[in-house]
Amino acid sequence: DQQVKQNSPSLSVQEGRISILNCDYTNSMFDYFLWYKKYPAEGPTFLISISSIKDKNEDGRFTVFLNKSAKHLSLHIVPSQPGDSAVYFCAASDRGTYKYIFGTGTRLKVLA
Amino acid sequence: DAGITQSPRHKVTETGTPVTLRCHQTENHRYMYWYRQDPGHGLRLIHYSYGVKDTDKGEVSDGYSVSRSKTEDFLLTLESATSSQTSVYFCAIGRSSSGGHPEAFFGQGTRLTVV
Repeated sequence: DQQVKQNSPSLSVQEGRISILNCDYTNSMFDYFLWYKKYPAEGPTFLISISSIKDKNEDGRFTVFLNKSAKHLSLHIVPSQPGDSAVYFCAASDRGTYKYIFGTGTRLKVLA
Repeated sequence: DAGITQSPRHKVTETGTPVTLRCHQTENHRYMYWYRQDPGHGLRLIHYSYGVKDTDKGEVSDGYSVSRSKTEDFLLTLESATSSQTSVYFCAIGRSSSGGHPEAFFGQGTRLTVV
Protein backbone atom coordinates (compact mmCIF):
# COMPACT_ATOMS: atom_id res chain seq x y z
CA ASP A 1 0.00 0.00 0.00
CA GLN A 2 1.58 3.22 -1.17
CA GLN A 3 1.66 5.80 1.59
CA VAL A 4 2.77 8.70 -0.61
CA LYS A 5 1.18 9.14 -4.03
CA GLN A 6 1.88 11.36 -6.98
CA ASN A 7 -0.93 10.66 -9.38
CA SER A 8 0.35 12.71 -12.31
CA PRO A 9 3.31 10.98 -14.00
CA SER A 10 4.01 14.01 -16.18
CA LEU A 11 3.27 17.71 -16.59
CA SER A 12 4.09 20.22 -19.32
CA VAL A 13 4.09 23.98 -18.68
CA GLN A 14 5.06 27.00 -20.72
CA GLU A 15 8.09 28.98 -19.61
CA GLY A 16 7.10 31.82 -17.30
CA ARG A 17 3.85 30.19 -16.18
CA ILE A 18 3.14 28.44 -12.89
CA SER A 19 3.90 24.76 -12.39
CA ILE A 20 1.81 22.95 -9.78
CA LEU A 21 2.84 19.49 -8.67
CA ASN A 22 0.60 17.50 -6.36
CA CYS A 23 1.11 14.82 -3.76
CA ASP A 24 -1.22 12.88 -1.46
CA TYR A 25 -0.41 10.83 1.59
CA THR A 26 -2.32 8.32 3.69
CA ASN A 27 -0.34 7.99 6.91
CA SER A 28 -1.60 10.45 9.53
CA MET A 29 1.65 10.01 11.50
CA PHE A 30 3.62 11.91 8.87
CA ASP A 31 4.61 15.31 10.19
CA TYR A 32 7.31 16.53 7.83
CA PHE A 33 7.12 16.79 4.07
CA LEU A 34 9.77 17.42 1.45
CA TRP A 35 10.16 17.99 -2.27
CA TYR A 36 13.11 16.84 -4.34
CA LYS A 37 14.20 17.45 -7.91
CA LYS A 38 16.06 14.83 -9.90
CA TYR A 39 17.97 15.14 -13.16
CA PRO A 40 18.97 12.02 -15.12
CA ALA A 41 22.08 10.23 -13.85
CA GLU A 42 22.19 12.36 -10.70
CA GLY A 43 21.01 11.90 -7.14
CA PRO A 44 17.83 13.66 -5.99
CA THR A 45 18.37 17.23 -4.78
CA PHE A 46 16.47 18.63 -1.81
CA LEU A 47 14.30 21.62 -2.74
CA ILE A 48 12.01 22.64 0.08
CA SER A 49 10.28 21.21 3.12
CA ILE A 50 7.36 21.94 5.40
CA SER A 51 6.45 20.91 8.91
CA SER A 52 2.92 19.81 9.75
CA ILE A 53 2.55 22.84 12.06
CA LYS A 54 2.60 25.10 8.99
CA ASP A 55 0.44 25.27 5.90
CA LYS A 56 2.84 27.16 3.62
CA ASN A 57 6.55 27.57 3.13
CA GLU A 58 8.29 29.70 0.51
CA ASP A 59 11.80 29.71 -0.85
CA GLY A 60 12.33 31.94 -3.82
CA ARG A 61 10.34 30.62 -6.79
CA PHE A 62 9.25 27.54 -4.84
CA THR A 63 6.28 27.38 -2.48
CA VAL A 64 4.95 24.29 -0.77
CA PHE A 65 1.37 24.16 0.52
CA LEU A 66 0.12 21.62 3.04
CA ASN A 67 -3.53 20.71 3.61
CA LYS A 68 -3.52 18.34 6.56
CA SER A 69 -7.23 17.66 6.58
CA ALA A 70 -7.05 16.52 2.95
CA LYS A 71 -3.64 14.86 3.43
CA HIS A 72 -2.45 16.76 0.39
CA LEU A 73 0.56 18.87 -0.44
CA SER A 74 1.55 20.76 -3.53
CA LEU A 75 4.63 22.46 -4.92
CA HIS A 76 4.25 25.68 -6.87
CA ILE A 77 7.03 26.94 -9.11
CA VAL A 78 6.65 30.51 -10.29
CA PRO A 79 7.83 31.47 -12.83
CA SER A 80 8.75 28.16 -14.42
CA GLN A 81 12.05 28.01 -16.27
CA PRO A 82 13.41 25.46 -18.78
CA GLY A 83 16.05 24.45 -16.21
CA ASP A 84 13.23 23.30 -13.94
CA SER A 85 12.57 20.39 -16.30
CA ALA A 86 13.23 17.32 -14.16
CA VAL A 87 11.48 14.63 -12.17
CA TYR A 88 10.02 15.89 -8.89
CA PHE A 89 9.49 13.65 -5.90
CA CYS A 90 7.53 14.38 -2.78
CA ALA A 91 8.47 12.63 0.44
CA ALA A 92 7.09 12.32 3.95
CA SER A 93 8.57 11.48 7.30
CA ASP A 94 7.43 11.02 10.86
CA ARG A 95 9.22 12.46 13.83
CA GLY A 96 9.59 9.11 15.53
CA THR A 97 11.66 7.35 12.90
CA TYR A 98 13.00 9.99 10.46
CA LYS A 99 12.35 7.50 7.67
CA TYR A 100 11.56 9.19 4.37
CA ILE A 101 8.87 7.63 2.18
CA PHE A 102 8.80 8.88 -1.40
CA GLY A 103 6.16 9.14 -4.07
CA THR A 104 6.61 7.80 -7.59
CA GLY A 105 7.55 11.16 -9.08
CA THR A 106 6.18 13.63 -11.63
CA ARG A 107 8.17 14.50 -14.73
CA LEU A 108 7.96 18.24 -15.36
CA LYS A 109 8.75 19.65 -18.76
CA VAL A 110 8.98 23.41 -19.10
CA LEU A 111 8.58 24.49 -22.70
CA ALA A 112 10.55 27.48 -23.98
CA ASP B 1 28.04 18.45 -2.23
CA ALA B 2 26.62 16.52 0.74
CA GLY B 3 29.91 14.73 1.46
CA ILE B 4 28.60 11.34 0.34
CA THR B 5 30.53 8.92 -1.82
CA GLN B 6 29.01 5.78 -3.24
CA SER B 7 31.13 2.95 -4.60
CA PRO B 8 31.17 1.44 -7.07
CA ARG B 9 29.27 3.78 -9.38
CA HIS B 10 28.52 1.00 -11.86
CA LYS B 11 28.54 -2.76 -11.47
CA VAL B 12 27.49 -5.75 -13.53
CA THR B 13 27.19 -9.01 -11.66
CA GLU B 14 25.85 -12.49 -12.25
CA THR B 15 22.71 -13.96 -10.73
CA GLY B 16 23.41 -15.70 -7.46
CA THR B 17 26.57 -13.82 -6.55
CA PRO B 18 26.85 -11.62 -3.45
CA VAL B 19 27.29 -7.90 -3.98
CA THR B 20 28.19 -5.15 -1.54
CA LEU B 21 27.64 -1.46 -2.16
CA ARG B 22 29.38 1.10 -0.02
CA CYS B 23 28.25 4.49 1.16
CA HIS B 24 30.78 6.76 2.83
CA GLN B 25 30.04 10.12 4.47
CA THR B 26 32.49 12.73 5.70
CA GLU B 27 30.12 14.75 7.89
CA ASN B 28 29.46 12.47 10.89
CA HIS B 29 25.66 12.33 10.51
CA ARG B 30 23.64 9.92 12.56
CA TYR B 31 21.03 8.89 9.95
CA MET B 32 21.88 7.07 6.73
CA TYR B 33 19.62 5.45 4.16
CA TRP B 34 19.63 3.12 1.17
CA TYR B 35 17.04 3.55 -1.57
CA ARG B 36 16.47 1.97 -4.95
CA GLN B 37 14.95 3.78 -7.90
CA ASP B 38 12.93 1.92 -10.50
CA PRO B 39 10.62 3.15 -13.28
CA GLY B 40 7.06 3.46 -12.05
CA HIS B 41 8.08 2.98 -8.41
CA GLY B 42 9.97 6.14 -7.60
CA LEU B 43 12.39 5.87 -4.70
CA ARG B 44 11.82 3.02 -2.29
CA LEU B 45 13.51 2.72 1.09
CA ILE B 46 15.48 -0.51 1.54
CA HIS B 47 17.09 -0.04 4.95
CA TYR B 48 18.08 2.82 7.13
CA SER B 49 20.41 3.40 10.07
CA TYR B 50 19.97 5.67 13.07
CA GLY B 51 23.42 5.06 14.54
CA VAL B 52 26.36 2.71 14.65
CA LYS B 53 25.00 -0.86 14.64
CA ASP B 54 21.44 0.52 14.72
CA THR B 55 19.51 -0.34 11.58
CA ASP B 56 15.92 -0.96 10.57
CA LYS B 57 14.04 -2.27 7.57
CA GLY B 58 12.40 -0.12 4.98
CA GLU B 59 9.71 -0.79 2.38
CA VAL B 60 11.61 -3.32 0.25
CA SER B 61 14.18 -5.00 2.49
CA ASP B 62 13.79 -8.64 1.36
CA GLY B 63 17.01 -9.92 -0.19
CA TYR B 64 19.09 -7.10 1.29
CA SER B 65 21.13 -6.71 4.44
CA VAL B 66 23.04 -3.75 5.82
CA SER B 67 25.81 -3.05 8.26
CA ARG B 68 27.08 0.05 9.96
CA SER B 69 30.16 -0.64 12.05
CA LYS B 70 31.30 2.99 12.07
CA THR B 71 29.53 6.31 11.64
CA GLU B 72 30.95 7.11 8.23
CA ASP B 73 30.19 3.86 6.40
CA PHE B 74 26.88 2.19 5.58
CA LEU B 75 27.11 -1.01 3.54
CA LEU B 76 24.32 -2.61 1.54
CA THR B 77 24.70 -6.31 0.69
CA LEU B 78 22.71 -8.35 -1.78
CA GLU B 79 23.25 -11.84 -0.40
CA SER B 80 22.46 -13.60 -3.69
CA ALA B 81 21.74 -11.16 -6.49
CA THR B 82 18.65 -11.64 -8.66
CA SER B 83 17.59 -9.92 -11.87
CA SER B 84 14.82 -8.12 -9.95
CA GLN B 85 17.55 -6.29 -8.04
CA THR B 86 18.79 -4.60 -11.18
CA SER B 87 18.28 -0.98 -10.26
CA VAL B 88 19.88 2.33 -9.39
CA TYR B 89 20.78 2.47 -5.71
CA PHE B 90 21.03 5.72 -3.80
CA CYS B 91 22.53 6.33 -0.42
CA ALA B 92 21.43 9.33 1.63
CA ILE B 93 22.31 11.01 4.89
CA GLY B 94 19.93 12.86 7.20
CA ARG B 95 21.14 16.43 7.65
CA SER B 96 19.25 19.37 9.06
CA SER B 97 19.45 22.63 7.11
CA SER B 98 17.69 24.59 9.87
CA GLY B 99 18.68 22.81 13.06
CA GLY B 100 15.36 20.96 13.22
CA HIS B 101 14.04 17.93 11.39
CA PRO B 102 16.76 16.54 9.11
CA GLU B 103 16.34 16.28 5.37
CA ALA B 104 17.74 13.47 3.23
CA PHE B 105 20.74 14.40 1.07
CA PHE B 106 21.65 11.92 -1.61
CA GLY B 107 24.75 10.51 -3.20
CA GLN B 108 25.26 10.15 -6.95
CA GLY B 109 23.92 6.61 -7.14
CA THR B 110 25.18 3.15 -8.11
CA ARG B 111 23.82 1.50 -11.22
CA LEU B 112 23.67 -2.24 -10.63
CA THR B 113 22.89 -4.73 -13.37
CA VAL B 114 22.31 -8.39 -12.53
CA VAL B 115 22.64 -10.68 -15.55
